[in-house]
Amino acid sequence: QVQLVESGGGLVKPGGSLRLSCAASGFAFSDFYMTWIRQAPGKGLEWVSYISSSSSYKQYADSVKGRFTISRDNAKNSLYLQMNSLRAEDTAVYYCARLGYCTGGSCYSSYYYAMDVWGQGTTVTVSS
Amino acid sequence: IVLTQSPGTLSLSPGERATLSCRASQSVTSNYLAWYQQKPGQTPRLLIYGASTRATGIPDRFSGSGSGTDFTLTISRLEPEDFAVYYCQKYGSSLHTFGQGTKLEIK
Repeated sequence: QVQLVESGGGLVKPGGSLRLSCAASGFAFSDFYMTWIRQAPGKGLEWVSYISSSSSYKQYADSVKGRFTISRDNAKNSLYLQMNSLRAEDTAVYYCARLGYCTGGSCYSSYYYAMDVWGQGTTVTVSS
Repeated sequence: IVLTQSPGTLSLSPGERATLSCRASQSVTSNYLAWYQQKPGQTPRLLIYGASTRATGIPDRFSGSGSGTDFTLTISRLEPEDFAVYYCQKYGSSLHTFGQGTKLEIK
């Protein structure tokens, strides 16, 4: 069963740091590009960052560039988001998702694919 | 690229046809445009990718069309479970951007 499970959310003060994790199972994690998306309370979806399967390529939204760092450990089937200098506007549910497409036993992944599998999200609250 | 969805809210009845629009501020390369559905308290679900290809398990009442800067998600005959928020999203080699969403509500 293909699954993504986020963890690491919580309450943090403005200016603080937090590290989110996303544990993948049921698929060949090391073959897939992965991404983080967030959703502020009552708001829409906002793409945050993505990372290539080998970690060689990363992209960030302007709103988090220089403050957030995406990384992965393929040996642990895990994706991470290190969030520094947190602001109130970073308060959101953070989702990890897989960029890819699978059919007939074959899977494909790059930034040219949509988000086909999502985790349930972890909540980050930035407040004093 | 900025994606603008319209209308913000669409009020329709079950059985009716829904047409949701997504307009891009610049041409979307190779139609790398997806649509997602999000129901209250749930995780988003991929409906359409490549502007017009249904994702696995998506009913054929959902269809996507368009190219360049103008894209449309059509739900041919609304079922009660289709009332939700819909997002378009641009992907590809640069930044991945979402539209602000269209809420499809029961009239």
